[in-house]
Amino acid sequence: AQSVTQLDSHVSVSEGTPVLLRCNYSSSYSPSLFWYVQHPNKGLQLLLKYTSAATLVKGINGFEAEFKKSETSFHLTKPSAHMSDAAEYFCVVTIYFNKFYFGSGTKLNVKP
Amino acid sequence: EAQVTQNPRYLITVTGKKLTVTCSQNMNHEYMSWYRQDPGLGLRQIYYSMNVEVTDKGDVPEGYKVSRKEKRNFPLILESPSPNQTSLYFCASSGRRVPEAFFGQGTRLTVV
Repeated sequence: AQSVTQLDSHVSVSEGTPVLLRCNYSSSYSPSLFWYVQHPNKGLQLLLKYTSAATLVKGINGFEAEFKKSETSFHLTKPSAHMSDAAEYFCVVTIYFNKFYFGSGTKLNVKP
Repeated sequence: EAQVTQNPRYLITVTGKKLTVTCSQNMNHEYMSWYRQDPGLGLRQIYYSMNVEVTDKGDVPEGYKVSRKEKRNFPLILESPSPNQTSLYFCASSGRRVPEAFFGQGTRLTVV
C-alpha cells in the first residue's frame, strides 16, 4: 500500500527566505513521487517529479526536491520565496501510474 | 496542446437530480481517473479506468458511476446527488509510458 504524509498543513515564510515543505511517503515498491501546486481557484500544476533517476530533482520556478529512500522523504525546497509562491502544495506518490496517492496538502503563505 | 478537458467548470444542482461531468483527454492515455478534493483531505480517488471498458473503484466510490466506452472520454455520473457530494472534482489521465498525471481544470459542484 502507498500513502503520503505532509507534515505541515500550513507554512508561513517571509519573502526572500527559504521554503521547506516536508513530505514522507510509504510504499511497498519503488515509487515515483511528485509535487503539484494549486493556486487559489486553479487546477493542479506539476512542479517536479522523481521517477528513479537522479535523487535531486529540479522543477519549475526554482523549486527542487530530494528523494531520500532511507528516510522515506521527498521534501520540497526553494532558496528564496516569492509572493507568487503562495499556494497549496501536494506531495503525490504512485507505483503504476494508474492511481496517485495525495497528501493532505500544505498551504504556503508568503509574507511581504 | 496536451490537455484534459472537464465540463462544466461550475455546477449547482438540487438533491436527487442526476448529473454528468464530462472528461476528455487528447494524449491517447490508457489510464483515467476521477478525484474529489475536500479541505484538509487532499485529493481522493473515486474511480479509475485502466483502458476502454475497464473500470474499478477507488477510495470513495459510493454515490458515483463511471463509464469508459472510448479511450479519450471518462464521464463521472451522479445518479442521485446528495449534499455530501459537494466538492471540487478533478479528472486525470496518465499513460504506461508517461511518468506523470495530467489534470483537468476541475469542476466545482454544489448540491443543495
